Amino acid sequence: DQQVKQNSPSLSVQEGRISILNCDYTNSMFDYFLWYKKYPAEGPTFLISISSIKDKNEDGRFTVFLNKSAKHLSLHIVPSQPGDSAVYFCAASRKGGAQKLVFGQGTRLTINP
Amino acid sequence: DADVTQTPRNRITKTGKRIMLECSQTKGHDRMYWYRQDPGLGLQLIYYSFDVKDINKGEISDGYSVSRQAQAKFSLSLESAIPNQTALYFCATQSGGGTGELFFGEGSRLTVL
Repeated sequence: DQQVKQNSPSLSVQEGRISILNCDYTNSMFDYFLWYKKYPAEGPTFLISISSIKDKNEDGRFTVFLNKSAKHLSLHIVPSQPGDSAVYFCAASRKGGAQKLVFGQGTRLTINP
Repeated sequence: DADVTQTPRNRITKTGKRIMLECSQTKGHDRMYWYRQDPGLGLQLIYYSFDVKDINKGEISDGYSVSRQAQAKFSLSLESAIPNQTALYFCATQSGGGTGELFFGEGSRLTVL
């Protein structure tokens, strides 16, 4: 049972445009959500997070939106840069993030020059 | 030096062999995790440990065992490797309280022939 789903295995975006990566979850007990970025031959690295008490969190070019009623979150990257090409994982946890994370399948983002 | 170090980084072995993947961390975190990554399945939790005396099974623990030798060390063993355990394995650490962010090692690629 996949509790966290990223339904797009890949996404291709032109440099300078907006990249939107989507994630859906099924467990209504999740209250903390994170995005990780992974380059080839490296481990995932933390990108941005959001608590369920918020519906938006912004950090530079990266913004995460949370729609609790739809159990959906999205990551917006604007403007997209070639260095953003990577695999992006969303993850969710319960109890304020202090518990173990459940990951989605990942979306491979390619930024084209 | 990396905060979370995995050894070996690459290993090829044969069916039935015993394999140990080791993880050490310098972050001083109590919590450590082992994940495996398969294409299209994202990161799946194998085992996790919230402190030296605490070991818990994750989603896919069958065929694996772990040992938490010290706060800084968490090893994963495959007692009798099989081909469908071919995957990329990640160790991660997490601080005991707080945002839930995981810090990953660079991964260990295991191939079972």
